[in-house]
Amino acid sequence: QSVLTQPPSVSGAPGQRVTISCTGSSSNIGAGYDVHWYQQLPGTAPKLLIFGNTNRPSGVPDRFSGSKSGTSASLAITGLQAEDEADYSCQSYDSTLSAYVFGTGTKVTVL
Amino acid sequence: EVQLVQSGGNLVQPGGSLRVSCAASGFTFNTYNMNWVRQAPGKGLEWVSYISGSGGTIFYADSVKGRFTISRDNAKNSLYLLMNSLRAEDTAVYYCAREHPVVPAALDYWGQGTLVTVSS
Repeated sequence: QSVLTQPPSVSGAPGQRVTISCTGSSSNIGAGYDVHWYQQLPGTAPKLLIFGNTNRPSGVPDRFSGSKSGTSASLAITGLQAEDEADYSCQSYDSTLSAYVFGTGTKVTVL
Repeated sequence: EVQLVQSGGNLVQPGGSLRVSCAASGFTFNTYNMNWVRQAPGKGLEWVSYISGSGGTIFYADSVKGRFTISRDNAKNSLYLLMNSLRAEDTAVYYCAREHPVVPAALDYWGQGTLVTVSS
């Protein structure tokens, strides 16, 4: 039972914009802890997509962007491409659990 | 090039033990904090354990505390997870992951994963 809640799935046509929400609480995102996002293609290890709420590692296209407000964070994908079809997970730290916590995960489908 | 190469996954009976390993290369291993993360079949990611670069600070998820032991050998550039008293619910792909040098908790490089199956 994850403390960070994401929608199970989102979908969009090629070229469209989709967003994935990550809802936490006052002991994690709302406490000011950073949110990170990971992309996991089928059968592969997760890949860091966004770190420190809004930063992209080298090599990640600028079609991916992150934001954070209050007890929630969001990942936006603009100009959706077929290769973006994957599972996406948010992550933060929870002070009540004294643990890193992941979101429930969202499957992105490109129609 | 940063590489994390894992080994040790296997089928083990409930109550049994297993050690999984992660060999690091391409970076100064002893200056990076490391983590283990697992993913049960068809489920989301679950953080398991953390160890600091020196090995002096260690944390565990409540679900594995008292049963799992994280360790590292900086001379061998290797990370380990010793799992005791294994349960069916420990069945998962286990990933080792390097922590970002500046941003806590951000896991910037991952191993390929190793499957641990707990079943009789």
